[in-house]
Amino acid sequence: AQSVTQLDSHVSVSEGTPVLLRCNYSSSYSPSLFWYVQHPNKGLQLLLKYTSAATLVKGINGFEAEFKKSETSFHLTKPSAHMSDAAEYFCVVSSYFISNSGGSNYKLTFGKGTLLTVNP
Amino acid sequence: GAGVSQSPSNKVTEKGKDVELRCDPISGHTALYWYRQSLGQGLEFLIYFQGNSAPDKSGLPSDRFSAERTGGSVSTLTIQRTQQEDSAVYLCASTLGGQPLTRYFGPGTRLLVL
Repeated sequence: AQSVTQLDSHVSVSEGTPVLLRCNYSSSYSPSLFWYVQHPNKGLQLLLKYTSAATLVKGINGFEAEFKKSETSFHLTKPSAHMSDAAEYFCVVSSYFISNSGGSNYKLTFGKGTLLTVNP
Repeated sequence: GAGVSQSPSNKVTEKGKDVELRCDPISGHTALYWYRQSLGQGLEFLIYFQGNSAPDKSGLPSDRFSAERTGGSVSTLTIQRTQQEDSAVYLCASTLGGQPLTRYFGPGTRLLVL
């Protein structure tokens, strides 16, 4: 079984200050981890992903995340927030499974999301 | 097309009516997923299509929900006898074969059941 906990439902920062969006996970196997961003009236966009390579992952728009196995965390950070970063962010864990039809798939489990607001 | 498209973008319906939601995946993507995002909740997996294999329907919440994928491309999610708790954003995603971990998501259909 796997699960994702996003520790904050809402984070508010001032423009130019650092961003920290927290995510903890649980997984029976070596997980792959993702952060997706969803802007208003837009589809989900992949920010970055960890798939057992380097533990510090760099994504688009200056975001990065660090996989810490000992803490089962995958927090998302950005040194300086921009107004355009205001959106909802989803932490996602993935594991490989065999479906009912006998095929294989990577199952994604999404966190409940963190709404980031950026104040001028 | 450039990305996954979904229609309609918004749908308001009355309780008890049937609705159909459409998803056009990225051309060439073999896998297609439907998810539901309710207010204050994370994304909930509904159904998964991979090529010509039987779909994985393990996430469908009730028998009022069904989905088809015709010709390995366009998919339709149908909700019969809609209930107010069906109100949510329904998201479709597709995946390129060989990159199973990266989903490309559509903009979603916002369904409101009155």
